[in-house]
Amino acid sequence: SAVISQKPSRDICQRGTSLTIQCQVDSQVTMMFWYRQQPGQSLTLIATANQGSEATYESGFVIDKFPISRPNLTFSTLTVSNMSPEDSSIYLCSVEDLLGTGKLVANYGYTFGSGTRLTVV
Amino acid sequence: AQKITQTQPGMFVQEKEAVTLDCTYDTSDQSYGLFWYKQPSSGEMIFLIYQGSYDEQNATEGRYSLNFQKARKSANLVISASQLGDSAMYFCAMRDENSGYSTLTFGKGTMLLVSP
Repeated sequence: SAVISQKPSRDICQRGTSLTIQCQVDSQVTMMFWYRQQPGQSLTLIATANQGSEATYESGFVIDKFPISRPNLTFSTLTVSNMSPEDSSIYLCSVEDLLGTGKLVANYGYTFGSGTRLTVV
Repeated sequence: AQKITQTQPGMFVQEKEAVTLDCTYDTSDQSYGLFWYKQPSSGEMIFLIYQGSYDEQNATEGRYSLNFQKARKSANLVISASQLGDSAMYFCAMRDENSGYSTLTFGKGTMLLVSP
């Protein structure tokens, strides 16, 4: 299965600043997904990033606040712009991946990066 | 729209006992996939088990099994012989294939605490 390196693992940032989170995959993938997990909450999809096209954002998320780059098939960045304390969350990237279930028929699931724990003060 | 419901905010179990984490789902799709993920305090998401809607047998992966009851729209995770390292947040998720591409919808999660 794919291995994702996500950086930084955590950061403490001042309000009004921006943070760029990087995800590097060890294999080429068509789609990468970015999720936000607010404290004590579940994961919410921010956007889907395809190489060579603009990211597709979910309702409630906008490009000006969460610009995404996808320059090639193994890399993507998510920027959290003009941060406020409400942006304090874990941010995770994810890719569609073959499940290592050992079944004869390949099933596709999702592998996640290790997450970026962001605190905005 | 798809919806995942996990009604147990927290569960307690003693080491070596089995525990069942509940998950019900709502979808109008005929073809869908159900996933369980484990999230330790470190924050990473670890894939545990997958069940396809057309799979006739319940999925099993080591100590994890999925009790899939399609008519009831439930996909409960069973962990046998609990270990201290199983203490974590557990999320049930469903693949959404309505949008032309596949995304995941997550439940709110269940915090599992395993005691010695």
